[in-house]
Amino acid sequence: AQRVTQPEKLLSVFKGAPVELKCNYSYSGSPELFWYVQYSRQRLQLLLRHISRESIKGFTADLNKGETSFHLKKPFAQEEDSAMYYCALSGGKSTFGDGTTLTVKP
Amino acid sequence: DTGVSQDPRHKITKRGQNVTFRCDPISEHNRLYWYRQTLGQGPEFLTYFQNEAQLEKSRLLSDRFSAERPKGSFSTLEIQRTEQGDSAMYLCASRGAAPGELFFGEGSRLTVL
Repeated sequence: AQRVTQPEKLLSVFKGAPVELKCNYSYSGSPELFWYVQYSRQRLQLLLRHISRESIKGFTADLNKGETSFHLKKPFAQEEDSAMYYCALSGGKSTFGDGTTLTVKP
Repeated sequence: DTGVSQDPRHKITKRGQNVTFRCDPISEHNRLYWYRQTLGQGPEFLTYFQNEAQLEKSRLLSDRFSAERPKGSFSTLEIQRTEQGDSAMYLCASRGAAPGELFFGEGSRLTVL
């Protein structure tokens, strides 16, 4: 069975501070992991995927197979980063975590 | 192509009534997914199609729920004899053949009174 755990429901940081959103997964095969973001009044959209190893809007995420984690990081948070973030595992169907609401305070 | 579209965006119904939601995926996408999302939870997988074939159904999908994708294009999700516990946002997503990004619609919010 595949499972995604996001241990923090809410995360609040000040503008300019580093931010890390945690994601742990359980999957028996070779995982494909994604981070999706939902800004206020917008649809869910892809932020980044582990395969591309790219930085989007200053965010990066590294797949750690040993710790079965895929944490999302940004060194300097901005107010426009305030949103709901979901970690997802793809293997046929796609399984989502319950999300973390990030609030970046001015 | 404006992306994945869902209709209706909002539906209020009385307990016991039937409701149907429609999803139009991105035209070249052969995979189509239905999810349910309630407050404070992530999207919960319900079912998915590859072309017209329904490949997997969640155990969450009771006998009152049925989904179809008759011509491998749009899909419908029907809920019969709705219950208050069915109140949720129903999300549709699509993707191409290669594993990768899901493209989501804006969702259909169901309220069962």
